[in-house]
Amino acid sequence: QSALTQPASVSGSPGQSITISCTGTSSDVGAGNFVSWFQQHPGKAPKLLIYEVTLRPSEVSHRFSGSKSANTASLTISGLQGEDDADYYCSSYTVGNTYVFGTGTKVTVL
Amino acid sequence: QVQLVESGGGVVQPGRSRRLSCEVSGIAFIVYGMHWVRQAPGKGLEWVAVTSSDATEKYYAESVKGRFSISRDNSKNMLYLQMNNLRPEDTAFYYCTTRNFGYWGQGALVTVSS
Repeated sequence: QSALTQPASVSGSPGQSITISCTGTSSDVGAGNFVSWFQQHPGKAPKLLIYEVTLRPSEVSHRFSGSKSANTASLTISGLQGEDDADYYCSSYTVGNTYVFGTGTKVTVL
Repeated sequence: QVQLVESGGGVVQPGRSRRLSCEVSGIAFIVYGMHWVRQAPGKGLEWVAVTSSDATEKYYAESVKGRFSISRDNSKNMLYLQMNNLRPEDTAFYYCTTRNFGYWGQGALVTVSS
């Protein structure tokens, strides 16, 4: 199972919106609605931001939103803030009952 | 307060075995499927294995299949990862996390080196 493809880096100024893509195949991202997104700060465990493509845990800011089209999922961060400077990963359930993570994206707040 | 605490990390020689443990508290462990996820230092996340809440279903990444085994003891709220025939490329922080990835431990570092 190959890792899902994410851009290595994305940057934006405070207040702007950015979008991170996550491209897989019809055997993972395109197979259903089980895409999740995570934020990870250095030295910390990942934090769940989005699950089942669009759903957001209650403690996560409304500035984070998810979507999907065919084999590509996306995470949008609106109103970029300094604390959003972190690594972001997507993941997907696969048809083989396994899971796969994305390659990771470094978000830099300029 | 939900807590997942991994233990058992350390330095191990190539070809040897190691067992990681994850103690879970603050949630009804018996109803949660559980994963192990690892992250090599400075690298991305890699899914390792998952077990259903009753341990009847278990699935593994190809990179560890046949060498690693996930198990659990619901009477003790414990999750385990038995790692055999370890290789240098298995060096990583190993995290336990709930089936929906909502709760994570702090990670345990396993270093495979002679």
